[in-house]
Amino acid sequence: DSGVTQTPKHLITATGQRVTLRCSPRSGDLSVYWYQQSLDQGLQFLIQYYNGEERAKGNILERFSAQQFPDLHSELNLSSLELGDSALYFCASARLGGETQYFGPGTRLLVL
Amino acid sequence: AQKITQTQPGMFVQEKEAVTLDCTYDTSDQSYGLFWYKQPSSGEMIFLIYQGSYDEQNATEGRYSLNFQKARKSANLVISASQLGDSAMYFCAMRVGYSTLTFGKGTMLLVSP
Repeated sequence: DSGVTQTPKHLITATGQRVTLRCSPRSGDLSVYWYQQSLDQGLQFLIQYYNGEERAKGNILERFSAQQFPDLHSELNLSSLELGDSALYFCASARLGGETQYFGPGTRLLVL
Repeated sequence: AQKITQTQPGMFVQEKEAVTLDCTYDTSDQSYGLFWYKQPSSGEMIFLIYQGSYDEQNATEGRYSLNFQKARKSANLVISASQLGDSAMYFCAMRVGYSTLTFGKGTMLLVSP
């Protein structure tokens, strides 16, 4: 158990819908990262937050957004969902920004 | 830009044998970190081992060791005395400075009895 929690574990929804994925980092970790894992794209970095502020952006679509709250948990919002958004979404956390990232169990999203 | 290459899509090994999973990386930065993660069929990503670019000794964590050859830009994972529970996907990743992780495509390891 990495200490990073993600909810929900599984999510099934329809195209055009909006979902929110939630992540709680390890106790004391200030950095939260979101990754998407799909069969065709592999593991791709989406976005990073550090202590509530956006720190880095990767291949995140405009339909996706995220935020980190004062209690350091983070949410990833996916809207206008398409079939191709079906993937495993990971949250990871690190103490500051340059250390080992510990991953949560992931949220498996299926868009029908 | 950073790049990680894992050339072995799949590897087979017998229980109790050692196995080496290959990883080469490309970066022009002098300061970077190399990581290996394990992803079993259940899906979670488990951190295994870390090697810093300035570390002179190869990293070891139990049955895992990282064979770091800086001049060749390689960071191979060695698993000694393989166990059935080692069957999983293994990802090599790199971080440059305070940037995020760049992952390779992974190697599927199957351990047979």
